[in-house]
Amino acid sequence: EVQLVESGGGLVKPGGSLRLSCAASGFTFSNAWMTWVRQAPGKGLEWVGRIKGRNAGETTDFAAPVTGRFTISKDHSKETLFLQMNNLKSEDTGVYYCATYGDYAGLIDYWGQGTLVAVSS
Amino acid sequence: DIVMTQSPDSVVVSLGGRATINCKSSESILYSSNNKNYLAWYQQKPGQPPKLLIHWASTRESGVPDRFIGSGSGTDFTLTVSGLQAEDVAVYYCQQYYNVHPTFGQGTRLEIK
Repeated sequence: EVQLVESGGGLVKPGGSLRLSCAASGFTFSNAWMTWVRQAPGKGLEWVGRIKGRNAGETTDFAAPVTGRFTISKDHSKETLFLQMNNLKSEDTGVYYCATYGDYAGLIDYWGQGTLVAVSS
Repeated sequence: DIVMTQSPDSVVVSLGGRATINCKSSESILYSSNNKNYLAWYQQKPGQPPKLLIHWASTRESGVPDRFIGSGSGTDFTLTVSGLQAEDVAVYYCQQYYNVHPTFGQGTRLEIK
């Protein structure tokens, strides 16, 4: 059974940093393409970025609003996905979901429960 | 990025009734080489993460009731929920995965009358 468990959310001041973690199990983590999707309070879903699987080079790509501020990485020994968020802004507030791409890139098949990030002074 | 626009923003239907949710993409998401529409539908219940219901515009995921039907092609798509049950109350999102940057519609809230 695929399980994705996010952690690391919390309250941070504008300009601050936060690292989210996503503990994964139940699938071949090393070659999985994974993604982060966020949801502002009471709003819709917004794709944040993704990392390709190890056999595809583990390259990353990000949405325009977070490019240059966010990075995604994997720790294969711990089967954990990370989202490093720097220079946080109030508009980054929301629930951050870790998820996997399914049989085709961009098709999101499994989601974690999410972790809440609040950016406020 | 491809813009996805859903209509209506909310819909209220009686138990046992039918709900129709529309989704329009700003450009075609039909890939001519394989004749597939890169369109998915998700269901999000309160306090839960989204759940994938349909991909390739009309292919239901395993375990999704056949009351959920996806249709459409090119730029115009529809999710139809028939025989509405109380458990179907949720927000429904369409999403394109044609572009390397996936984008979602703004969501449609489905409520029971």
